[in-house]
Amino acid sequence: EPEVTQTPSHQVTQMGQEVILRCVPISNHLYFYWYRQILGQKVEFLVSFYNNEISEKSEIFDDQFSVERPDGSNFTLKIRSTKLEDSAMYFCASSVGGTANQPQHFGDGTRLSIL
Amino acid sequence: GQQLNQSPQSMFIQEGEDVSMNCTSSSIFNTWLWYKQDPGEGPVLLIALYKAGELTSNGRLTAQFGITRKDSFLNISASIPSDVGIYFCAGPKNRDDKIIFGKGTRLHILP
Repeated sequence: EPEVTQTPSHQVTQMGQEVILRCVPISNHLYFYWYRQILGQKVEFLVSFYNNEISEKSEIFDDQFSVERPDGSNFTLKIRSTKLEDSAMYFCASSVGGTANQPQHFGDGTRLSIL
Repeated sequence: GQQLNQSPQSMFIQEGEDVSMNCTSSSIFNTWLWYKQDPGEGPVLLIALYKAGELTSNGRLTAQFGITRKDSFLNISASIPSDVGIYFCAGPKNRDDKIIFGKGTRLHILP
């Protein structure tokens, strides 16, 4: 069964450094998402992306965050200047359609640790 | 903002027992999703519900979309060790793409 893949599985970065998290969504999916989950807490929406632009973002997704689909297969999340509180699991998801009738499929996440 | 409240927060049950957990909201949801998360992995969709009153099964799992559209429950029958994990209810905020997750119900199975 097709799946969303994320790399790396674990990223350790010094505070203030830039980090790029990578995702390969399911190939026929058109809508892409990033979520984060701080340890022991719930999954929180960050951003949705469709047709090469952001369709919605949360208050968490400030100017330090950006997303890009640099080619036909990858979807990336960049954090420009990482903070300690950015430490979390980051999940990429994709769906065929953008409405609630098209459930999102999640990758296994990247654990980001900021030192 | 909209929030999803899940209960119980955690459960300790014996293998073979049935499990019931629920999710409520102060506002109406048009879709209810139930996900399971195993340690170190991403959420996996278990059941999606699209109509008020809908009752849907997936193997030993059954979920219902409440008539009021403000709640949903998930039942697991005859639990087995691999059912251990965190179960999240989730739903889209209104008609747009954002999915809101509950805080999860952590299921533990005693040997």
